[in-house]
Amino acid sequence: DQQVKQNSPSLSVQEGRISILNCDYTNSMFDYFLWYKKYPAEGPTFLISISSIKDKNEDGRFTVFLNKSAKHLSLHIVPSQPGDSAVYFCAASIQGGSEKLVFGKGTKLTVNP
Amino acid sequence: EADIYQTPRYLVIGTGKKITLECSQTMGHDKMYWYQQDPGMELHLIHYSYGVNSTEKGDLSSESTVSRIRTEHFPLTLESARPSHTSQYLCASSVAGPGGEKLFFGSGTQLSVL
Repeated sequence: DQQVKQNSPSLSVQEGRISILNCDYTNSMFDYFLWYKKYPAEGPTFLISISSIKDKNEDGRFTVFLNKSAKHLSLHIVPSQPGDSAVYFCAASIQGGSEKLVFGKGTKLTVNP
Repeated sequence: EADIYQTPRYLVIGTGKKITLECSQTMGHDKMYWYQQDPGMELHLIHYSYGVNSTEKGDLSSESTVSRIRTEHFPLTLESARPSHTSQYLCASSVAGPGGEKLFFGSGTQLSVL
């Protein structure tokens, strides 16, 4: 029973356009959400996070939006660059504890030059 | 930024062998973790530690064991490797930040058991 769902296994966009990666969750107790980026044969790296008290957090080209009523969050990358091609994992936790972090299955983003 | 080092990066080994995957971090983080991940799947927590002499099992049952004798070192051991143990093993440590903790991952060990 997946608590964090990334329903799109893959996404392909053109360089310079917007990439939108989606994530849905089922546990209304989740109050902290993170996005990680993973290149092949490497460990994930932290990208951006958002607390449930906010509905938007921005860091450079990356913006995460949280819709608590829909239990949905999305990651926007603008403009997309070929170096952004990677697998993106959505993760959620209760009270911010990493031992309770639940990951989605990831979305593979390909940015075409 | 945390520096997490995992060795080896790749390991191909025969069934029945004992293996130890090494993980070290240089930032003095108390909390450390081992995740297992297969292609196209989510990361599953198999072990974690709150600090020296603390080890806990994660959500995914694993035949591996861990130890935490020093803050910076969190090795994972499989006493008898089997093909079902083939996977990527990711070590991480965490630090508290605004809203919650952030995980910092090592580069992983890709284990193949023949």
